[in-house]
Amino acid sequence: KNEVEQSPQNLTAQEGEFITINCSYSVGISALHWLQQHPGGGIVSLFMLSSGKKKHGRLIATINIQEKHSSLHITASHPRDSAVYICAVTDTVNSGSRLTFGEGTQLTVNP
Amino acid sequence: DTGVSQDPRHKITKRGQNVTFRCDPISEHNRLYWYRQTLGQGPEFLTYFQNEAQLEKSRLLSDRFSAERPKGSFSTLEIQRTEQGDSAMYLCASSLGQSFGYTFGSGTRLTVV
Repeated sequence: KNEVEQSPQNLTAQEGEFITINCSYSVGISALHWLQQHPGGGIVSLFMLSSGKKKHGRLIATINIQEKHSSLHITASHPRDSAVYICAVTDTVNSGSRLTFGEGTQLTVNP
Repeated sequence: DTGVSQDPRHKITKRGQNVTFRCDPISEHNRLYWYRQTLGQGPEFLTYFQNEAQLEKSRLLSDRFSAERPKGSFSTLEIQRTEQGDSAMYLCASSLGQSFGYTFGSGTRLTVV
């Protein structure tokens, strides 16, 4: 079992729909990260959170430490949101703060 | 450009050849990470530097792989005697520390033929 699991693996939505991507983890963490990866490989950091909720534009990330679960929401989705969304954690054991990644969720938003 | 730079963006090499990749982190970031990503998978940790010291290496990093960060600035990742299984995207990231986020480079895509 992977330390970080995401669902769904693939998600197709129509423009304007509300989207939720889920992430569950099995280790104690110091922080959870949501990342976006476009074709070609570059990764952009969207959120880093250790509790509660963060919002940036149409993106919202929440985390429940007790349940070891986080969600990434996209409101009013747009075709330019199409990308792979990756959940990653830094665990409390690892002092180097390396990231452990989920396998990613491929999001496609159709016009 | 103050982001993380990786060079080259793409590399095609014949099996058995040596390859070297370079990463230039954000100048004030003391932490530098190398990750490897195969198609359809999330990235996997390879190695980590704090300044010039290589503090952690993954079991994935066989003795054919070596990484350096002389003077705590840019880093190089060398793969000797490449194998087809080394084909992947090699990602570099840098950070100021545990309480800070990460900045990723665009990656080097290696294809071993």
